[in-house]
Amino acid sequence: AQSVSQHNHHVILSEAASLELGCNYSYGGTVNLFWYVQYPGQHLQLLLKYFSGDPLVKGIKGFEAEFIKSKFSFNLRKPSVQWSDTAEYFCAVTADNAGNMLTFGGGTRLMVKP
Amino acid sequence: EAGVAQSPRYKIIEKRQSVAFWCNPISGHATLYWYQQILGQGPKLLIQFQNNGVVDDSQLPKDRFSAERLKGVDSTLKIQPAKLEDSAVYLCASSLVGPVIEFFGPGTRLTVL
Repeated sequence: AQSVSQHNHHVILSEAASLELGCNYSYGGTVNLFWYVQYPGQHLQLLLKYFSGDPLVKGIKGFEAEFIKSKFSFNLRKPSVQWSDTAEYFCAVTADNAGNMLTFGGGTRLMVKP
Repeated sequence: EAGVAQSPRYKIIEKRQSVAFWCNPISGHATLYWYQQILGQGPKLLIQFQNNGVVDDSQLPKDRFSAERLKGVDSTLKIQPAKLEDSAVYLCASSLVGPVIEFFGPGTRLTVL
């Protein structure tokens, strides 16, 4: 079945540590890829998106993600996390052979210790 | 600009009761979505509207869930009768040009006892 997988459910880091959150999808065809973030008590919001072109995408707040087509991956990275990055992060995918419906992974809860 | 509005923010009901949620999308956004987010999981699409027409409702449990979008603006999602497993946060979202969703509402947290 087509799916989006986020293998790390919980991640705990200290401030200034580097972050990489994994995302893998199983869709074939043309995909669009997204990362969303939900800060405590706030709405779900778009962090960054990839449609085409440069596979390294830069988003808000210093986040970036790299699309590796051969690995069906779209991992999220940040060189140095801050306490304010504590949030839940969701990877999501649309695929042209799946009705272009936005499908989410299960989420990764990140806690950054000050 | 104003965001996506949802009400109520919280609702507690007993199983077999009915409940309705309301969503007001961002002005001018033609596409409206309802998602269900069960604790510990990612959001799951229930239904997508384009103006007042349904684009996709393949994951909507139609025996108990219904949704409408009158006049292509506000939308309501209803559950009748509710089951324990319906306990979740119900998210509404809208977009100007699908399928990129930039704006989600705050959600309605439903607890079914």
